[in-house]
Amino acid sequence: GAVVSQHPSWVICKSGTSVKIECRSLDFQATTMFWYRQFPKQSLMLMATSNEGSKATYEQGVEKDKFLINHASLTLSTLTVTSAHPEDSSFYICSAVTGGKSYEQYFGPGTRLTVT
Amino acid sequence: LAKTTQPISMDSYEGQEVNITCSHNNIATNDYITWYQQFPSQGPRFIIQGYKTKVTNEVASLFIPADRKSSTLSLPRVSLSDTAVYYCLVGLGGSNTGKLIFGQGTTLQVKP
Repeated sequence: GAVVSQHPSWVICKSGTSVKIECRSLDFQATTMFWYRQFPKQSLMLMATSNEGSKATYEQGVEKDKFLINHASLTLSTLTVTSAHPEDSSFYICSAVTGGKSYEQYFGPGTRLTVT
Repeated sequence: LAKTTQPISMDSYEGQEVNITCSHNNIATNDYITWYQQFPSQGPRFIIQGYKTKVTNEVASLFIPADRKSSTLSLPRVSLSDTAVYYCLVGLGGSNTGKLIFGQGTTLQVKP
């Protein structure tokens, strides 16, 4: 099946610094990728839709200047958390759509971000 | 996007068949129904997807009635390793957006 990877799998950073998370589709091209955030014991919350070659579309309430998304190629999307604060600590998950007649969306393994 | 409603939690025992029903009254004509499984600190894993009637793969079956306002994920002979959160989602088919909105999911606890 389709494989999506994320890097790093976990990261600890100091408050005020920026962190970049990579999402890659390993064996297929993804024109569309999605970024989610998940807090403990909660469901996934969609943050933004990342389209190759165009600006990301953010969900209501998500600060686009804080969560910078770049979809530079058909296999790579990056999420940069700028000026991170402890409340940004969360599990960040990306997904990619394979396309076709019915979409199948495959998720990465997630990145655990801890801001101290 | 259609909202989904599932039971918050379910308990089962090893070897039993588990059926998780999801309600999606406002499903649109183009929407497919997809189920995912998630273990703690992992990304969701695709289980099965369908549009109508019945779909079966090596791990599960998906039953969708004619009105498509609900669907049932059936897991045959569950084991302890099937303890996880199961999400039912509906969304656009084709390559339109693929946008998915997750509900609370069903936490399945399989007991020995």
